[in-house]
Amino acid sequence: RKEVEQDPGPFNVPEGATVAFNCTYSNSASQSFFWYRQDCRKEPKLLMSVYSSGNEDGRFTAQLNRASQYISLLIRDSKLSDSATYLCVVNMNTGNQFYFGTGTSLTVIP
Amino acid sequence: EPEVTQTPSHQVTQMGQEVILRCVPISNHLYFYWYRQILGQKVEFLVSFYNNEISEKSEIFDDQFSVERPDGSNFTLKIRSTKLEDSAMYFCASSTLGLAGDYEQYFGPGTRLTVT
Repeated sequence: RKEVEQDPGPFNVPEGATVAFNCTYSNSASQSFFWYRQDCRKEPKLLMSVYSSGNEDGRFTAQLNRASQYISLLIRDSKLSDSATYLCVVNMNTGNQFYFGTGTSLTVIP
Repeated sequence: EPEVTQTPSHQVTQMGQEVILRCVPISNHLYFYWYRQILGQKVEFLVSFYNNEISEKSEIFDDQFSVERPDGSNFTLKIRSTKLEDSAMYFCASSTLGLAGDYEQYFGPGTRLTVT
């Protein structure tokens, strides 16, 4: 089983739509969870950390389900500028070695 | 806003040559990382560095790789004898340890390494 798994998509949604991505991880000891976005041929940019209680930042909401070992990202009111690849990142055990998912591609259509 | 910088942006080298990729992490960060991303593939962890020593490393980070913090600002990745399969984008990242124990990493723009 891969350390981090994501549906690669692509997700093509109209502007204003709500879209959700899921990511599963294999190591039950993992403690740190993040969502990054990556534009084509650019570096990953931190979108948000994911906390046990769930967290929200504007149009973005992240959730963690430890029992089922998955994290989710919800984007409301999609904008054209949200078009990117969304990367799920999880640490191995409790240390600072990190696994990236293959990413989920999102295209927001006018 | 502080950012991670990397030089050069593109490095072309011949197989068997040594390369050094350079990074300047964000100044108050304590943890430093190198990742690589082969074109069309996922980002892969190479190594993390803390308190002047390697903290964790992946299977990719074999004896051909080394890291160094030669002074108070630079963080380097050396590949001793490059292979064709080392061609990739190499990202440097840095983080500080937050109160929640998170390692929120900020990435540099990357160095594209092409081995011919």
